[in-house]
Amino acid sequence: AQSVTQLDSQVPVFEEAPVELRCNYSSSVSVYLFWYVQYPNQGLQLLLKYLSGSTLVKGINGFEAEFNKSQTSFHLRKPSVHISDTAEYFCAVRSSGGATNKLIFGTGTLLAVQP
Amino acid sequence: NAGVMQNPRHLVRRRGQEARLRCSPMKGHSHVYWYRQLPEEGLKFMVYLQKENIIDESGMPKERFSAEFPKEGPSILRIQQVVRGDSAAYFCASSPYGGLGAFFGQGTRLTVV
Repeated sequence: AQSVTQLDSQVPVFEEAPVELRCNYSSSVSVYLFWYVQYPNQGLQLLLKYLSGSTLVKGINGFEAEFNKSQTSFHLRKPSVHISDTAEYFCAVRSSGGATNKLIFGTGTLLAVQP
Repeated sequence: NAGVMQNPRHLVRRRGQEARLRCSPMKGHSHVYWYRQLPEEGLKFMVYLQKENIIDESGMPKERFSAEFPKEGPSILRIQQVVRGDSAAYFCASSPYGGLGAFFGQGTRLTVV
């Protein structure tokens, strides 16, 4: 079984400052990792994903994440945030094998960008 | 290429009524997933379907909930005899295969009064 922990329920940050949203996972098997963004009253949009290969993954809107297998982490970063980045961010994991493709989500982190 | 389409976007039902939520996957996608998001919580997996088959329903409540994905037409999530605790946002996602980075719809927000 897998689980995902997003320790920060809310991260306030000023515009143009850097930000890191933390994600740790637990799994007994190899996994794929994802970050999704959810704007108010909208569905989820895929930001980036790690499947294999380079541990530094670049996504849309200037976000990137680094897979750290030893620390079982997949933190999301952006060097300079904008007001429009204000949203809920979800980290998710799924096993890389098996018949089911379900995603296990963390509880989300609200990124609140202030002017 | 239209995205994943869910309807209705908002649904209000009285306790005891039935709720039917529809999901049309992206063109060419034969895998559909349903997730539920309770207030202040993350998304919880409910069910995974391929055309005419339920692959994984480990997240579905044992009673009152059912899902189908017929050969023709949208996937349907059906909730019978709704209760207040069913109030949530229900999201559908689809993928062509493997579920890698599935595309999500905008959700149906169910309110039970």
